[in-house]
Amino acid sequence: DVVMTQTPPSLSVAIGQSVSISCKSSQSLVYSDGKTYLHWLLQSPGRSPKRLIYQVSNLGSGVPDRFSGTGSQKDFTLKISRVEAEDLGVYYCAQTTHFPFTFGSGTKLEIK
Amino acid sequence: QVTLKESGPGMLQPSKTLSLTCSFSGFSLSTSGMVVSWIRQPSGKSLEWLAAIDWDGDKYYNPSLKSRLTVSKDTSNTQVFLKITSVDTADTATYYCARTLYYYDGTYYYPDWFAYWGQGTLVTVSS
Repeated sequence: DVVMTQTPPSLSVAIGQSVSISCKSSQSLVYSDGKTYLHWLLQSPGRSPKRLIYQVSNLGSGVPDRFSGTGSQKDFTLKISRVEAEDLGVYYCAQTTHFPFTFGSGTKLEIK
Repeated sequence: QVTLKESGPGMLQPSKTLSLTCSFSGFSLSTSGMVVSWIRQPSGKSLEWLAAIDWDGDKYYNPSLKSRLTVSKDTSNTQVFLKITSVDTADTATYYCARTLYYYDGTYYYPDWFAYWGQGTLVTVSS
């Protein structure tokens, strides 16, 4: 299975600051169709996961452009610019290039 | 409006068979390119992809659990089911279903994975 390693495990930031979360995969996530199926999800407290970004850098519907994703092959980053209170929760990266699909261990974002 | 909702027994005893239902609206599983997945999350832990079924009835399983899993859909294409046999305490988790739809970019079709999730259903395995 593809192992997804997320760092850091937790972050504490003030409103208005920017943060980055890293996700590294044990294998390249480039699929045979040329796409890279690396996604970012946010699970707010007590809620189900919500997909923020798909295929590395594409914003999901209704997701503010404060969120951005970059990376390639095995190394990916989620950046949140100007953090807002509603951004707190656990962020997961997920890969759907290789079966079985796998998820990172999560990064918990707290607001100072 | 796309919605998904999971339902299950809440609690069951070890060694029993767990039966879960994902009921959805706003789309049909008969639509070409549609896929519904099952994903679970033990309390305080990360997510684990379990299985998926697509519009053509093709099924995909996590090899680590494949011998215990069966995914299926109803004839009206508005529900997907998951059965897990011989459950034990390690199967205690919140179970989610999530939708994927292939989209056309003008050249090829690509999957838009996990764009919609249900609210989840908590299953506790305990004697």
